[in-house]
Amino acid sequence: AQTVTQSQPEMSVQEAETVTLSCTYDTSENNYYLFWYKQPPSRQMILVIRQEAYKQQNATENRFSVNFQKAAKSFSLKISDSQLGDTAMYFCAFMKQKGANAGNMLTFGGGTRLMVKP
Amino acid sequence: DGGITQSPKYLFRKEGQNVTLSCEQNLNHDAMYWYRQDPGQGLRLIYYSQIVNDFQKGDIAEGYSVSREKKESFPLTVTSAQKNPTAFYLCASGQMNRDWRTEAFFGQGTRLTVV
Repeated sequence: AQTVTQSQPEMSVQEAETVTLSCTYDTSENNYYLFWYKQPPSRQMILVIRQEAYKQQNATENRFSVNFQKAAKSFSLKISDSQLGDTAMYFCAFMKQKGANAGNMLTFGGGTRLMVKP
Repeated sequence: DGGITQSPKYLFRKEGQNVTLSCEQNLNHDAMYWYRQDPGQGLRLIYYSQIVNDFQKGDIAEGYSVSREKKESFPLTVTSAQKNPTAFYLCASGQMNRDWRTEAFFGQGTRLTVV
């Protein structure tokens, strides 16, 4: 079974600064996907960024980037130029890669509550 | 617009009653999932279905039941056997696309309260 650990229950950052959220995972799989989801007060889950394990290059989406260390099983999220709208719960998630046309289940970490201060 | 619709947004249940949460998707996804979220905690998997007429238990299936009679629909029934049903419930769907990436789309959730 896979486990995902987020060791920072809460974090805060000043607006316009940079913050890094940590995530580690445990798996015996070699092919998998990693995700960061954002859950604002509306409670809807929003995909922030995803990483395929077979890719060595770290994923980047505008102000969001990851530091993926496969050997260390680490997948941190960096938010640059933090904005007030980034205030939310952030969840790290793991998904095994299975065959084509097969859905897979996400395993989530416990979440990190991020507060962006003006 | 494609997406996932959960209803109702808020639901109240009396103790001892069964209640069904609706989840519908028009994304043509094969897989659908139900997660439970308790305050300040992460999401835990209740049930998932990878294909019509088939579903599997997740980590916390006791006290819940599901059906998958149509590709678009994956309703969750919270039975009286669930001892602590008050929680936020999220439905999700997922699909492998042609370049082998995959992601899950989430509904807006249903908050269930036992009164």
